[in-house]
Amino acid sequence: AAGVIQSPRHLIKEKRETATLKCYPIPRHDTVYWYQQGPGQDPQFLISFYEKMQSDKGSIPDRFSAQQFSDYHSELNMSSLELGDSALYFCASTKRYGSSTDTQYFGPGTRLTVL
Amino acid sequence: AQTVTQSQPEMSVQEAETVTLSCTYDTSESNYYLFWYKQPPSRQMILVIRQEAYKQQNATENRFSVNFQKAAKSFSLKISDSQLGDTAMYFCAFMSPIGGYAGGTSYGKLTFGQGTILTVHP
Repeated sequence: AAGVIQSPRHLIKEKRETATLKCYPIPRHDTVYWYQQGPGQDPQFLISFYEKMQSDKGSIPDRFSAQQFSDYHSELNMSSLELGDSALYFCASTKRYGSSTDTQYFGPGTRLTVL
Repeated sequence: AQTVTQSQPEMSVQEAETVTLSCTYDTSESNYYLFWYKQPPSRQMILVIRQEAYKQQNATENRFSVNFQKAAKSFSLKISDSQLGDTAMYFCAFMSPIGGYAGGTSYGKLTFGQGTILTVHP
């Protein structure tokens, strides 16, 4: 079965640079979530999209922005990178059914290292 | 806001034995979803099991089962016949149903516990 695809898998950036992370959800999934997992920590919710509209926002810095495109893929844009942004970034997708939702399936993650 | 607590930072078990991982949560909602995710050394997040709060029957997936105690807000994971491949970090996660809930609106985000590192020894 098709899974969530994230690219790139690894990314190394310098401080103050920008980075773009991409997420391709499972086919027919209409909802995307982004999570950040720091070293030794649990994943923290950043932002989500449903049908190409932002649906919820968590502890996402103002330096970060994201969107979901017409083909349902999503991109997380990160500017003015800081050392503390080094983390594993997960994208998860699901299908929404009215007021309920299916299980979230996670991509393999993008490991961002800021030097 | 909902909180999820895993009080066991690390657990170990011998191969073929049974181990139980604990999870408690705090919510004022009556309907919600609970999950256990596994994160092996590859760091991939893999769904282990899912429980809907309105279902009284405990979920089971092969060697994995849960003990869901709604009144106590407890959601433990039992792994039977432990295998070396079960070695991983295990996260308990909470999700409110989409729509309104006391104190805010949920759009299906997951709130995770701190995780329990499980090591299975041969």
